[in-house]
Amino acid sequence: KAGVTQTPRYLIKTRGQQVTLSCSPISGHRSVSWYQQTPGQGLQFLFEYFSETQRNKGNFPGRFSGRQFSNSRSEMNVSTLELGDSALYLCASNLQDGEQFFGPGTRLTVL
Amino acid sequence: ILNVEQSPQSLHVQEGDSTNFTCSFPSSNFYALHWYRWETAKSPEALFVMTLNGDEKKKGRISATLNTKEGYSYLYIKGSQPEDSATYLCAFKSSNYQLIWGAGTKLIIKP
Repeated sequence: KAGVTQTPRYLIKTRGQQVTLSCSPISGHRSVSWYQQTPGQGLQFLFEYFSETQRNKGNFPGRFSGRQFSNSRSEMNVSTLELGDSALYLCASNLQDGEQFFGPGTRLTVL
Repeated sequence: ILNVEQSPQSLHVQEGDSTNFTCSFPSSNFYALHWYRWETAKSPEALFVMTLNGDEKKKGRISATLNTKEGYSYLYIKGSQPEDSATYLCAFKSSNYQLIWGAGTKLIIKP
């Protein structure tokens, strides 16, 4: 079974731009969660989608948004990028609220 | 505000020694407690998902216990090896499916 995939793996943007990251969960998994990891910080929860609905949301500004499609693939969008948005963005899928399976992450650099 | 605390923040252990660390979580609205291992340059991988008070789980030299009444879980590593060096994360899943992560315990095994 294929694991969680994320695209792109690396991304360089400039301040003020917007970016869209993509996550394809393991087949059959209906829940996708997004996390941000910055140097020296643990996992910061962004949001979780389940069956195309946002089920939980972390404490991030409205510039961070997401959506989930009917095939469970999810996208995360960050508008008006700031330098502090430079981070590793991880997505994770799970089945029946069990363990989370993480993708390899997208490394975003904002210049 | 739901909070998950992990202690210690970091730990240096001699190869061959055994060690343990703690995850403290809210004792109400409990659904599950997750443990993950996060090695440098990799994505977090699940170790255990624990749901019942008194649960004990084991995977090789690593084991975990759960006390939902008092809100803590211990992770034990017996006979530490260099490959055990990683950050160990716990996450509390509440009854509304919110997953709250601790900041992790960084374990360094000294040869």
